[in-house]
Amino acid sequence: QKEVEQDPGPLSVPEGAIVSLNCTYSNSAFQYFMWYRQYSRKGPELLMYTYSSGNKEDGRFTAQVDKSSKYISLFIRDSQPSDSATYLCAMSWGNYGQNFVFGPGTRLSVLP
Amino acid sequence: NAGVTQTPKFRILKIGQSMTLQCTQDMNHNYMYWYRQDPGMGLKLIYYSVGAGITDKGEVPNGYNVSRSTTEDFPLRLELAAPSQTSVYFCASSYSTDPGQRNTGELFFGEGSRLTVL
Repeated sequence: QKEVEQDPGPLSVPEGAIVSLNCTYSNSAFQYFMWYRQYSRKGPELLMYTYSSGNKEDGRFTAQVDKSSKYISLFIRDSQPSDSATYLCAMSWGNYGQNFVFGPGTRLSVLP
Repeated sequence: NAGVTQTPKFRILKIGQSMTLQCTQDMNHNYMYWYRQDPGMGLKLIYYSVGAGITDKGEVPNGYNVSRSTTEDFPLRLELAAPSQTSVYFCASSYSTDPGQRNTGELFFGEGSRLTVL
């Protein structure tokens, strides 16, 4: 079993749809959970950061962590064509980059 | 503010050749990293550095070497290139304070260097 699993997609949705992106993980020691967005031919950039369980909201984006199920989600409301990108989940047991484990990413296309 | 700058953006190598991927950051970050990204796989850590003069292996270090003589620069050396090293390489940096202090976990990535070994 991979340490972090993520459906690679591609996922295509119409503009305005609610998007749900998910990752599952196996290591119960993970405490830090992140979502990175990566546009084509660019480096990833941090989108959301959550420590431990719970929800975090930032504009149209909501990150959820369910540690009991080892499951994290990213919701995008009112999706826009500019949201078309690959979304990488990342998680860690420590707050230093060398501990991060990345999912393979889900490619999202939002169609106008 | 340039952030993290990688060169070259693209390179084709022949088997057995060597080359250096350059990475520089202007954010005064103490932590720097090299990742490789292959299709269908997550980012894999090759090497990292917690400060000038200090480097350590990541998950996939074989076939690579690094050095960190300054805070700004963290070059990645490929010796005797092999087809398995065909990948997109990302350099990243982050700022960390004393051990145990919580930071945001934000890695700042460069735009990547696409390497093909034939």
